[in-house]
Amino acid sequence: AQSVTQPDIHITVSEGASLELRCNYSYGATPYLFWYVQSPGQGLQLLLKYFSGDTLVQGIKGFEAEFKRSQSSFNLRKPSVHWSDAAEYFCAVAFNQAGTALIFGKGTTLSVSS
Amino acid sequence: GAVVSQHPSWVICKSGTSVKIECRSLDFQATTMFWYRQFPKQSLMLMATSNEGSKATYEQGVEKDKFLINHASLTLSTLTVTSAHPEDSSFYICSAHREGEQFFGPGTRLTVL
Repeated sequence: AQSVTQPDIHITVSEGASLELRCNYSYGATPYLFWYVQSPGQGLQLLLKYFSGDTLVQGIKGFEAEFKRSQSSFNLRKPSVHWSDAAEYFCAVAFNQAGTALIFGKGTTLSVSS
Repeated sequence: GAVVSQHPSWVICKSGTSVKIECRSLDFQATTMFWYRQFPKQSLMLMATSNEGSKATYEQGVEKDKFLINHASLTLSTLTVTSAHPEDSSFYICSAHREGEQFFGPGTRLTVL
């Protein structure tokens, strides 16, 4: 069955430290891949997406993600975390077309310590 | 551009009443909109796909008679929770599709007493 897995429920990172959030998917072909951020009481904001081409994708707020076909992964990274990055992060995939409904991972809560 | 609004942002209702939630694409037309439900500290679960001018497509396990979806125009989709019960309390989020991407509304918090 098609699925999205975010193995880490909660991660705490010191401000200024690097961050990597993991995302794995289960599908026979390459899906369309997204990372969203949700701050408390706010809607989802798209950080970045991958449809095809260069497997290293740059997004907003200094985030990047790398698609690795061999590992069925699309991990999100940021070299230096800021306190304002504390939020809920969701990996999502569309398996058929880019505009079809998304399947979300369970999310990773990021806390930033000073 | 690509702004999606939802109204209301939060609503409290009595058990047995119906609640309508609106999802509007403010600066673009959306043939397809989606409705998701998010429980506290959990992920978003797709409820249904709303297509302008046709019937919505519901995900398995979602009661179509309870969650009525209407997509009467290219900028508006509505979700009506009929005969709401406390277990329907949740965060409902819509999204609108444009050019291969979904743009999300800010969500509606429904509390059923």
